[in-house]
Amino acid sequence: EADIYQTPRYLVIGTGKKITLECSQTMGHDKMYWYQQDPGMELHLIHYSYGVNSTEKGDLSSESTVSRIRTEHFPLTLESARPSHTSQYLCASTSGKVGHEQFFGPGTRLTVL
Amino acid sequence: AQSVTQLDSHVSVSEGTPVLLRCNYSSSYSPSLFWYVQHPNKGLQLLLKYTSAATLVKGINGFEAEFKKSETSFHLTKPSAHMSDAAEYFCVVSDWSSYKLIFGSGTRLLVRP
Repeated sequence: EADIYQTPRYLVIGTGKKITLECSQTMGHDKMYWYQQDPGMELHLIHYSYGVNSTEKGDLSSESTVSRIRTEHFPLTLESARPSHTSQYLCASTSGKVGHEQFFGPGTRLTVL
Repeated sequence: AQSVTQLDSHVSVSEGTPVLLRCNYSSSYSPSLFWYVQHPNKGLQLLLKYTSAATLVKGINGFEAEFKKSETSFHLTKPSAHMSDAAEYFCVVSDWSSYKLIFGSGTRLLVRP
């Protein structure tokens, strides 16, 4: 079982609130990722990091921001949540070595009213 | 550039019958390929992976996949479906130049009693 954790698992908030989705891994992986997934749809990469103090935007534009101050921690923040942000957010990590898979957290299902 | 195409958005089988989920890939070099499974409201779990070793890859829960370079395919099979196999399945190719995964659009497997 992968040692990657996300909190909260479910979050329902009102429009305009600031939220932070937490992601932590205990595998010492340098590379971490955030994906957004609408119900029954494919995953879209929104942010990634190759190490401490390294963050990049992914293939899908997102109003969220991320930080990587510690290797094990990769939080995602929405400064002002909107209903269009309603989705599932999945965090993943990998060692990045050839042939090594990404390990996924259980996800955070966000609903913005 | 790498890409994957999952040929069926939905597959429905009866319990106890074989499962076939189809995936074609495109890669400019020898790829690493993965199948992930996602149960409702869960993260992604790795079923199996191909990394240029044996072309027939065995995974968890009785699933296996065969890498066929001549057909650029990596189909997922299981001899006998179980009700617990009902889930979304993603075929994935890795882009080692960017440490990113390229996801297919997913196949939803329904298992009828």
